[in-house]
Amino acid sequence: KAGVTQTPRYLIKTRGQQVTLSCSPISGHRSVSWYQQTPGQGLQFLFEYFSETQRNKGNFPGRFSGRQFSNSRSEMNVSTLELGDSALYLCASSYNPSEAQYFGPGTRLLVL
Amino acid sequence: GIQVEQSPPDLILQEGANSTLRCNFSDSVNNLQWFHQNPWGQLINLFYIPSGTKQNGRLSATTVATERYSLLYISSSQTTDSGVYFCAVGGSYNTDKLIFGTGTRLQVFP
Repeated sequence: KAGVTQTPRYLIKTRGQQVTLSCSPISGHRSVSWYQQTPGQGLQFLFEYFSETQRNKGNFPGRFSGRQFSNSRSEMNVSTLELGDSALYLCASSYNPSEAQYFGPGTRLLVL
Repeated sequence: GIQVEQSPPDLILQEGANSTLRCNFSDSVNNLQWFHQNPWGQLINLFYIPSGTKQNGRLSATTVATERYSLLYISSSQTTDSGVYFCAVGGSYNTDKLIFGTGTRLQVFP
């Protein structure tokens, strides 16, 4: 069974631009979560989706948004990029909430 | 919210040595997972262990939920074990939201 895939793997943007990241969960998994990892803040929860509904959102500004499609694939969008948005963005999937989560390889975003 | 503390923050070992990593959490949890982050950033799920003991090869983990801690044991360490080990907990049912500790950075030298 293929693992969680994320695209693109690397991205360079400039301040003020927007970016869309994509995540395809393990086949059959219905829950998708997103995390941001930075050297200063560590791993922080962004949001969680199940059956196309956002169930939880972390403490991030409204510039961070996401959605989930009927095939469980998920996208997250960051608008009006800031330098501090440079990070590794990780997506995880599970069959059901509260079960074991499996992470993708991440998208490294650099904002210049 | 729940606080997660991991110790030690750094660990340097020679190949073949054993080690114990600890995770303390501040409130009751229904979800606890251990992950290994390799040098390329990939987080690998090692154990889903909200309570009890599990073993997988040279790795084993124990969670004592009533005392709010979990331990990860690595035996006969290898250089490929190097990386950062994270403990992550979830405090609510029916949610995937995890709170991560700050990790233990392990370096294994030949």
